[in-house]
Amino acid sequence: AQKITQTQPGMFVQEKEAVTLDCTYDTSDQSYGLFWYKQPSSGEMIFLIYQGSYDEQNATEGRYSLNFQKARKSANLVISASQLGDSAMYFCAMRGSFWDSSYKLIFGSGTRLLVRP
Amino acid sequence: GAGVSQSPSNKVTEKGKDVELRCDPISGHTALYWYRQSLGQGLEFLIYFQGNSAPDKSGLPSDRFSAERTGGSVSTLTIQRTQQEDSAVYLCASSLGLGSYNEQFFGPGTRLTVL
Repeated sequence: AQKITQTQPGMFVQEKEAVTLDCTYDTSDQSYGLFWYKQPSSGEMIFLIYQGSYDEQNATEGRYSLNFQKARKSANLVISASQLGDSAMYFCAMRGSFWDSSYKLIFGSGTRLLVRP
Repeated sequence: GAGVSQSPSNKVTEKGKDVELRCDPISGHTALYWYRQSLGQGLEFLIYFQGNSAPDKSGLPSDRFSAERTGGSVSTLTIQRTQQEDSAVYLCASSLGLGSYNEQFFGPGTRLTVL
């Protein structure tokens, strides 16, 4: 069975500093995708970044980067130069089993990030 | 262009009533997904459509839940004889297809409260 684990229920970071949100995953598939979504208080899920299991380089999107360590099965999100607007819930997710062909997302329990001014 | 839209944004109903939740995916997106987000269960997959067919209904919690999609576009999630444990935010997402890169775009959700 596939599983995503986020061990940090809540985190604080000072504005303009960098923060790392942890994510570990478990799968027996060789091909999979890892995603990070942001959910502000408005409730909408906003896609941030994607990492494919065969990608050799860590994904980056603006201030977001994904620290992908395949052997350790971790996919931590790094947010550089935190802004007040980064305060939100962050979810790590994995695309479902290649064999069931549904590509449903399996989500972790989330990390609530609060950026302090 | 327009994103995924859902209606209603909020729904309050009495236990035992039926409810219908609607999702309008991004135009041209062939895959559509329903998820449920509740305090106790986190985010969980309910059902997925490719075109108008639903190959994976594994996440539907009971036979009171059903969903359909017509014209490869709009989808409706129906909950019959609602129970208090159905209270949650129901999220719809769509994606262009089922390629190896599968970004799912989410709608704002429908918050369902069963009294």
